[in-house]
Amino acid sequence: NAGVTQTPKFRVLKTGQSMTLLCAQDMNHEYMYWYRQDPGMGLRLIHYSVGEGTTAKGEVPDGYNVSRLKKQNFLLGLESAAPSQTSVYFCASRTGQSSYNEQFFGPGTRLTVL
Amino acid sequence: ILNVEQSPQSLHVQEGDSTNFTCSFPSSNFYALHWYRWETAKSPEALFVMTLNGDEKKKGRISATLNTKEGYSYLYIKGSQPEDSATYLCAFGNYGQNFVFGPGTRLSVLP
Repeated sequence: NAGVTQTPKFRVLKTGQSMTLLCAQDMNHEYMYWYRQDPGMGLRLIHYSVGEGTTAKGEVPDGYNVSRLKKQNFLLGLESAAPSQTSVYFCASRTGQSSYNEQFFGPGTRLTVL
Repeated sequence: ILNVEQSPQSLHVQEGDSTNFTCSFPSSNFYALHWYRWETAKSPEALFVMTLNGDEKKKGRISATLNTKEGYSYLYIKGSQPEDSATYLCAFGNYGQNFVFGPGTRLSVLP
């Protein structure tokens, strides 16, 4: 049982390049989330999904797109990377929308945009 | 946008000291408050979920209390050890909404 995994762990991009971050979970969770973590700002929600085939915007969605084609995978795309997107990206999942349920986090992807 | 605050932002304590820090959240539409422990280079791990006013949870040397009427939760660490060094996050949840995370308190325990 791997929990939540993220690929890649590190990446350096040049401004304007594109990339996709992959999140996978093997806990059969319905809800999945992408956050970015910046110094002094905590975790900010980029996009989330409440089930296969659904996505929704979070607090800071601009410059990102997501897809949830399979229940276990949640992809985060950057179409044209900007230096402001330099951050650590965390994926999380949980079993339902009840606030009682904890979120399980992946190990993070450290992205640098030059 | 809901605001969740944590204080202090960081603190350094000596091994063996006890310490505590605060999470402040909106007192209306409260449903749950989560505490996470986040070690450097790892992912956040859940410590407690708290739901009722007056709740007190304990795990080893770490405990937490909850006051939903005034909108705060305290996390206490008794006899801090170097392995307690981490960032402690709280997350506020109201029903049907996504978590709102605080910025965290970074704890360093010096041997």
